Amino acid sequence: GQQLNQSPQSMFIQEGEDVSMNCTSSSIFNTWLWYKQDPGEGPVLLIALYKAGELTSNGRLTAQFGITRKDSFLNISASIPSDVGIYFCAGQETSGSRLTFGEGTQLTVNP
Amino acid sequence: GAVVSQHPSWVICKSGTSVKIECRSLDFQATTMFWYRQFPKQSLMLMATSNEGSKATYEQGVEKDKFLINHASLTLSTLTVTSAHPEDSSFYICSARGAGEETQYFGPGTRLLVL
Repeated sequence: GQQLNQSPQSMFIQEGEDVSMNCTSSSIFNTWLWYKQDPGEGPVLLIALYKAGELTSNGRLTAQFGITRKDSFLNISASIPSDVGIYFCAGQETSGSRLTFGEGTQLTVNP
Repeated sequence: GAVVSQHPSWVICKSGTSVKIECRSLDFQATTMFWYRQFPKQSLMLMATSNEGSKATYEQGVEKDKFLINHASLTLSTLTVTSAHPEDSSFYICSARGAGEETQYFGPGTRLLVL
């Protein structure tokens, strides 16, 4: 089946620093999504990307859909303590198809 | 808008008993609902996809007789873990998607602990 490789697995940063994480796929996706999951909660959608090359922002978050359609990255600028959580990328091959999730990036922000 | 709820939020049961988890779309009609399982420090793994009024499609390796899924209405899907065993202990998360929509909205999850 498809696999999404997400890196890094974990990050420990100081408040105010910028963060970058990425996902790569062995196959082409038509949609890339980025979610955040807090402990004991379901994932919450942060950013959805639908077009190769697309760069989309949501507040301090910016995500890009890679030109090859096999990768995506998420940047968080000026991190704050509430950014702590697990960030997952997810890809979708075609419209309406299942989501494939990456392994997640655990982010810790030290105040 | 696009709120999905799950009930219960956590459940503890004895080995051999069955547990039912509900997933509801509160403010939209969910033609498709998805059930995921997440073990500690791992990603979400899709268990099955259900379309309203039809049988669920299970992912490879997921026993359909053990994980019974019913999607009888456009706002409710249920997952029943039959004859639960300790290895079924996990975090079960549902998501829902409306007709013609791309986005899946996730529920808050149900923590199952089988003793």
